[in-house]
Amino acid sequence: GQQLNQSPQSMFIQEGEDVSMNCTSSSIFNTWLWYKQDPGEGPVLLIALYKAGELTSNGRLTAQFGITRKDSFLNISASIPSDVGIYFCAGQGGSGANSKLTFGKGITLSVRP
Amino acid sequence: NAGVTQTPKFQVLKTGQSMTLQCAQDMNHEYMSWYRQDPGMGLRLIHYSVGAGITDQGEVPNGYNVSRSTTEDFPLRLLSAAPSQTSVYFCASTPGTGGKLFFGSGTQLSVL
Repeated sequence: GQQLNQSPQSMFIQEGEDVSMNCTSSSIFNTWLWYKQDPGEGPVLLIALYKAGELTSNGRLTAQFGITRKDSFLNISASIPSDVGIYFCAGQGGSGANSKLTFGKGITLSVRP
Repeated sequence: NAGVTQTPKFQVLKTGQSMTLQCAQDMNHEYMSWYRQDPGMGLRLIHYSVGAGITDQGEVPNGYNVSRSTTEDFPLRLLSAAPSQTSVYFCASTPGTGGKLFFGSGTQLSVL
């Protein structure tokens, strides 16, 4: 089946630093999404991308849909303690409601004050 | 709006017991799904439904049963719990296209 690769499994940064994460696949996706999971909660959608090359921002977060449609990137600028959590990328091959999402295994981000 | 509500939050079962994890959404979303989250494994799709009366299997359906009698509710049944089903379970819904899932807060299940 389709797989999304996220690495490393964990990242440790200092408050105020910028951090970049990427997500790669051997398959082409039509939609890329980034979710964040706070401890003890369900994932929450951060950014959705629908077109190759698209660059979208949400506050201090910026994500890009790779032009090959096989990767996506998430940047967090000027990190703060509440950025701590697990960041998942997800890809969707089709566009209908029954087009299932494939999730990466997630990157656990720790922010040192 | 409550969004997606899951109950219970925590559950401990003995091997062989059965139970139902409840999921309800008040957003009138047609598409609902169940995921399990295990350390280092990410989120894996168990079952999903594209509308009332319609369900289908996901990536890891064995040992789980679902039904969708109403738009709002999508319960997940464990017929005979096994230690391998120890996990955190998330229910999610979406209004349709675009992959924008709304997740519940999860059920942490331990099977002894």
